[in-house]
Amino acid sequence: GAVVSQHPSRVICKSGTSVKIECRSLDFQATTMFWYRQFPKQSLMLMATSNEGSKATYEQGVEKDKFLINHASLTLSTLTVTSAHPEDSSFYICSAVEPGLAGVGQYFGPGTRLTVT
Amino acid sequence: DAKTTQPPSMDCAEGRAANLPCNHSTISGNEYVYWYRQIHSQGPQYIIHGLKNNETNEMASLIITEDRKSSTLILPHATLRDTAVYYCIVRVERWFSFGAGTTVTVRA
Repeated sequence: GAVVSQHPSRVICKSGTSVKIECRSLDFQATTMFWYRQFPKQSLMLMATSNEGSKATYEQGVEKDKFLINHASLTLSTLTVTSAHPEDSSFYICSAVEPGLAGVGQYFGPGTRLTVT
Repeated sequence: DAKTTQPPSMDCAEGRAANLPCNHSTISGNEYVYWYRQIHSQGPQYIIHGLKNNETNEMASLIITEDRKSSTLILPHATLRDTAVYYCIVRVERWFSFGAGTTVTVRA
């Protein structure tokens, strides 16, 4: 199946700094990517939809100025957590949709563990 | 998207078949049933999906009832590596709404 990568897999940063997470579709072009967040012992929650060449769509309660999303190419979306705080510590997962297939699902990246100290 | 209901947890013996149920009584005609699993600290892994017919691949089988109100994921020979949280998702739009899933523990 299709492969989606994320970088870094783990990051520790100090409170107040910014962190960028990359999501790449390795063997297909993805016009749409999704960013999810997962807190310990909880399920995945959709944060935003990243559309190539246009602004991201954020879910209710997700601050767009804090979680900056850029989808500059058909294979790369980035999530930047600005002015990170300890409560932003979480597991961030991206996914990408492979277009052109009926009933196609999503391919998920391996996730990025963010710890803010 | 239709809501799904899954048991919170289940145990199964290594080497035996694991049958994971999912209720989706409000499913509409154009909504697919997807199954993913998440092994601890990893991203969700696609298992299988279907619309009306039963499906089988190298990982599992998906049995969908005729009225489409429920489905069962079958892992034919569970191994310890199949221990994970299994999510049943019904959707027509492109993004997924994850429920709590079923935590499956395979025991030796």
